[in-house]
Amino acid sequence: EAEVAQSPRYKITEKSQAVAFWCDPISGHATLYWYRQILGQGPELLVQFQDESVVDDSQLPKDRFSAERLKGVDSTLKIQPAELGDSAMYLCASSLAPGTSVPGELFFGEGSRLTVL
Amino acid sequence: GNSVTQMEGPVTLSEEAFLTINCTYTATGYPSLFWYVQYPGEGLQLLLKATKADDKGSNKGFEATYRKETTSFHLEKGSVQVSDSAVYFCALSDRGGSQGNLIFGKGTKLSVKP
Repeated sequence: EAEVAQSPRYKITEKSQAVAFWCDPISGHATLYWYRQILGQGPELLVQFQDESVVDDSQLPKDRFSAERLKGVDSTLKIQPAELGDSAMYLCASSLAPGTSVPGELFFGEGSRLTVL
Repeated sequence: GNSVTQMEGPVTLSEEAFLTINCTYTATGYPSLFWYVQYPGEGLQLLLKATKADDKGSNKGFEATYRKETTSFHLEKGSVQVSDSAVYFCALSDRGGSQGNLIFGKGTKLSVKP
């Protein structure tokens, strides 16, 4: 069964350092999402791509976070510099293009757990 | 804005007990509603969904009915198993500009004891 791949699974870094997370969605999924899940909370959207274009990045802290999906396939989420409050699980999800699936029917990767010391 | 409120956990049940996890929502328009499950050490998985009022979503013995009049989507299972131990998230789709974006509740942790 096709899966969303994410790496690394775990990342420990010191504050002020740069970190990057990678996501490879299910083949053929045009829409890609990055969510942040703080311990004990539900996931919150950081950025949504439709192919290579950003659809929504209103909740992305743009002073330190950036995301790209240059060829409309895999994606990278970067944090620079990392802060203590960035410790969380970063989840990538993908879905078929709007109009071809139920909005909200997402397929999630296992996540990348970030700890900032 | 749109939001989801679900009962706080943790919920601890004995095997074969009846499960209800309450979920209510606030939304403009007619969202789709979802339950996602997160097993220990894994990512979220779609458990069931309902796309319009009075729809009943079901999967793996779990059920939830989209109640527009009470803005609710409560999750139920008649007889839980130890393997159902997980965190359950209620969610709605934002049909605004970010079509497909999910708004999640805070999650309810379920522990089932043998």
